Amino acid sequence: KQEVTQIPAALSVPEGENLVLNCSFTDSAIYNLQWFRQDPGKGLTSLLLIQSSQREQTSGRLNASLDKSSGRSTLYIAASQPGDSATYLCAVLQGGSEKLVFGKGTKLTVNP
Amino acid sequence: GAGVSQSPRYKVAKRGQDVALRCDPISGHVSLFWYQQALGQGPEFLTYFQNEAQLDKSGLPSDRFFAERPEGSVSTLKIQRTQQEDSAVYLCASSLQGRGGEKLFFGSGTQLSVL
Repeated sequence: KQEVTQIPAALSVPEGENLVLNCSFTDSAIYNLQWFRQDPGKGLTSLLLIQSSQREQTSGRLNASLDKSSGRSTLYIAASQPGDSATYLCAVLQGGSEKLVFGKGTKLTVNP
Repeated sequence: GAGVSQSPRYKVAKRGQDVALRCDPISGHVSLFWYQQALGQGPEFLTYFQNEAQLDKSGLPSDRFFAERPEGSVSTLKIQRTQQEDSAVYLCASSLQGRGGEKLFFGSGTQLSVL
């Protein structure tokens, strides 16, 4: 059974700092990996989607990498801003399935 | 519509009551998903529709949970005889085709509290 783990559970940084969020998964037979952002009381917003054949994806100040063989992904946020404060969730899509398996998330606080 | 819409936003039920949660996906989206998110946890898959066909209901926790999408657009998640452990946020998501690798669009969820 696929398990997704996110470390750390919470992170607090000063504004302007670069930071890395980690995600690991137990079964490397994934179709893709996605990073989502969740604001309090809101649904999830898709940030980046990496197909299993890709190594990384970039969007603005965000960069996500995928090492399928080792079961790891990282989300790099450059020059963090208070507006980046949210919970970041990692999810994997198993091959042959339509169901995403999520981690518990990392709660990020960026202090002005 | 502009996004995935869910109603009600909040629902308080007494234990044993039946509840119905509604999801309006983005117009034209073929695939629709329901997820359950307990406090402090990541969302967990409940069920998946492609048009009106329910292709996967393996995540429904018990036979008290039932989902339908009779005309391939709006979906309803029904929970019978609610229990305290059903308290969670229920998230609906849709995608254009649902062939894996597609971006999912989530609604804001329905927060269910069972007293």
